[in-house]
Amino acid sequence: DAKTTQPNSMESNEEEPVHLPCNHSTISGTDYIHWYRQLPSQGPEYVIHGLTSNVNNRMASLAIAEDRKSSTLILHRATLRDAAVYYCILRDYYSNYGQNFVFGPGTRLSVLP
Amino acid sequence: EPEVTQTPSHQVTQMGQEVILRCVPISNHLYFYWYRQILGQKVEFLVSFYNNEISEKSEIFDDQFSVERPDGSNFTLKIRSTKLEDSAMYFCASTGGRGANVLTFGAGSRLTVL
Repeated sequence: DAKTTQPNSMESNEEEPVHLPCNHSTISGTDYIHWYRQLPSQGPEYVIHGLTSNVNNRMASLAIAEDRKSSTLILHRATLRDAAVYYCILRDYYSNYGQNFVFGPGTRLSVLP
Repeated sequence: EPEVTQTPSHQVTQMGQEVILRCVPISNHLYFYWYRQILGQKVEFLVSFYNNEISEKSEIFDDQFSVERPDGSNFTLKIRSTKLEDSAMYFCASTGGRGANVLTFGAGSRLTVL
């Protein structure tokens, strides 16, 4: 079973910020928090990942709670192209196995023009 | 930017036929995976492959499925005798290492079994 919980769906207006939450209350000290997204009819695409500190890249920001039991993916200005299913996934630092890379149902983000 | 390439993009086959789906992982990656996604459902793990052998497999990956890396660049998934329920998108992924390393996925191969 997936070790994360996310809202089923969210909606945003174009060019506004979007905060996508993820709960992972049973996270272990060696779990990395990964975010992927799946655009319609495409394969999953890496967005961002982190361990303890907040992370920024050209696509998004990742805010990790101090106790690491939750995190938030932040899209600073949503575009129509950001409409996708967003997955929050935990991956153990020592793991090189796909079995531990479990996709839940994710959050379907709709972006309104 | 390096990418994972999958062929064919779409294959239609008759039930009972053999199908081979091909993937070219990123060249310096060491760990390879197959996932599948039935229409409207979650992405499901099938198999991991490292050092020329299967590392782990899910319950879905039964005796009808096999994987190999025949030439050091291609990574293939074979379904020996397809069933209707094998109709799905099949995604190949690769990564260079453990937990902190990201998985790079291909665009997928859509398999339709009639």
